[in-house]
Amino acid sequence: QKEVEQNSGPLSVPEGAIASLNCTYSDRGSQSFFWYRQYSGKSPELIMFIYSNGDKEDGRFTAQLNKASQYVSLLIRDSQPSDSATYLCAAPGFQKLVFGTGTRLLVSP
Amino acid sequence: DGGITQSPKYLFRKEGQNVTLSCEQNLNHDAMYWYRQDPGQGLRLIYYSQIVNDFQKGDIAEGYSVSREKKESFPLTVTSAQKNPTAFYLCASSLRGQGIFPYGYTFGSGTRLTVV
Repeated sequence: QKEVEQNSGPLSVPEGAIASLNCTYSDRGSQSFFWYRQYSGKSPELIMFIYSNGDKEDGRFTAQLNKASQYVSLLIRDSQPSDSATYLCAAPGFQKLVFGTGTRLLVSP
Repeated sequence: DGGITQSPKYLFRKEGQNVTLSCEQNLNHDAMYWYRQDPGQGLRLIYYSQIVNDFQKGDIAEGYSVSREKKESFPLTVTSAQKNPTAFYLCASSLRGQGIFPYGYTFGSGTRLTVV
């Protein structure tokens, strides 16, 4: 049974800081990962995916994958109050994505 | 525009009543999924379907039923056997069953079910 683990938080950062969200996974064979953002009361939306070791950047977001240590992280630079949400990490399992429980991020003005 | 539509947005159920949540997609996606989310909790998989006329139980299927008669539609029925149905229900779809990179899931906007 594949597992994806996240710290539930909340992770509190001041506006303008870098927020670092982490996710560990149990399956060494996992090749790709997804990061979803979920605002309170809303559905998750895909913000990033990564499939190889190293970094992938998209605007203020950077996803990092370290297969040797089995963790994937999401960095949010210049954090804004509008980034306050729950961030879900997911990895492909058998016929479905396996989601972590999510990390709640709070960005204070 | 392609997307996935859930209806209704809010639903109230009386004790002992069955209710059906609608999920329709026009993305030509093969796979569809139903999740339940309780306040402050993660996503829990109820049922999923890879192809028409076939579906599999997820982690919490008891008290729920589904059908997949059309590729575009995957309705979820919350039966009276589900003793604690108050939750946020999310439907999702993906182009391929394993959410293979880079597609992931597309989620609907959700249905909030409350027992009254």
